[in-house]
Amino acid sequence: NAGVMQNPRHLVRRRGQEARLRCSPMKGHSHVYWYRQLPEEGLKFMVYLQKENIIDESGMPKERFSAEFPKEGPSILRIQQVVRGDSAAYFCASSPRQGESDTQYFGPGTRLTVL
Amino acid sequence: SQKIEQNSEALNIQEGKTATLTCNYTNYSPAYLQWYRQDPGRGPVFLLLIRENEKEKRKERLKVTFDTTLKQSLFHITASQPADSATYLCALSNDYKLSFGAGTTVTVRA
Repeated sequence: NAGVMQNPRHLVRRRGQEARLRCSPMKGHSHVYWYRQLPEEGLKFMVYLQKENIIDESGMPKERFSAEFPKEGPSILRIQQVVRGDSAAYFCASSPRQGESDTQYFGPGTRLTVL
Repeated sequence: SQKIEQNSEALNIQEGKTATLTCNYTNYSPAYLQWYRQDPGRGPVFLLLIRENEKEKRKERLKVTFDTTLKQSLFHITASQPADSATYLCALSNDYKLSFGAGTTVTVRA
């Protein structure tokens, strides 16, 4: 009974490089959410996706950040031309359907460090 | 803008005692309030959900209250154990978008 999988668990990038974070939702879950956690701060919603659709990207920076959830394969959060301020823990969560009270199951996170 | 505040201080308690955590919010009228547990280097794990029309919810040694007038939730861990040591997060929502507090770190001494 595999939970939400994220890889890599740790990612180090130099300023200006690209970061690709992957998330495989729990089996049977078709809704994926990405959150970012900065040190000493709460998790902040970034984007909500269903298969092949971005439903809500209101929490995602307009530039350099993009997300996708293709028909086949994991969801990808992509950060282009990373800057030091992008250093954070990025968590993916999934749920079986979009319901206001549906529990979101979180992955272990990817810790991005930008040098 | 909405604000969610949890106990600013870390909580250190003796095993067997009750830990009480607070979550206060402003400029928000959530329909749901959830509590999560987060261990170092791990993702949040769901514990309890309480709806705006519910006053109290229990699950084993955990109890949550939700006062929409005071805009506050209390989270209790009774008969605490060292294994309960973790950071506890409250999260508010009206739909799929969870808004988290910064968390309260609880340490239970044996």
